[in-house]
Amino acid sequence: AQSVAQPEDQVNVAEGNPLTVKCTYSVSGNPYLFWYVQYPNRGLQFLLKYITGDNLVKGSYGFEAEFNKSQTSFHLKKPSALVSDSALYFCAVTLRAGTYKYIFGTGTRLKVLA
Amino acid sequence: GAVVSQHPSRVICKSGTSVKIECRSLDFQATTMFWYRQFPKKSLMLMATSNEGSKATYEQGVEKDKFLINHASLTLSTLTVTSAHPEDSSFYICSAREGEAPSYEQYFGPGTRLTVT
Repeated sequence: AQSVAQPEDQVNVAEGNPLTVKCTYSVSGNPYLFWYVQYPNRGLQFLLKYITGDNLVKGSYGFEAEFNKSQTSFHLKKPSALVSDSALYFCAVTLRAGTYKYIFGTGTRLKVLA
Repeated sequence: GAVVSQHPSRVICKSGTSVKIECRSLDFQATTMFWYRQFPKKSLMLMATSNEGSKATYEQGVEKDKFLINHASLTLSTLTVTSAHPEDSSFYICSAREGEAPSYEQYFGPGTRLTVT
């Protein structure tokens, strides 16, 4: 079965420290990969995506993600966390053929401590 | 980036009544929109894929007669929860894509909090 895993329910990091939110996937073929952020009682905001090319993708609000094909991972990173980054983060993938639906991870709650 | 709106943002209704939620793509045309349901502290559950001018495609386990979807134009999709019951209380989120290719990201609306009393 196709799946996306976010192994950490919650990640705590001190403000100013680098942060990493992990995502691994198990799907057939080469998927497209996405990261979203959700603030309380809000919809999801698009952060970045990997389509092809450079494995390091830069996105909104200083976030970046590294695609690693051999490890089937797409971890989200930021060099210096802000308290305002505290939110729920979702990794999603779509297949290059088929229905093009998102397969979502279970979400990781990031808490940045002042 | 592209903007998707939802209306209402919050609705309370009595058990047995119907509620309509609108999803609009404000600055782009969307041939495909998606409807999700999100439970507290949980990921999004895809309910259906809405295609402009045709019938929606529902996910397994989603009652199509209970959750009516209409995608009447390239900028508007509606979800009607018919004969709502307390167990239908949830956070409903729609999304839309600018293009058909899977490389296009989905843009999400702000969500609608439905409470059925």
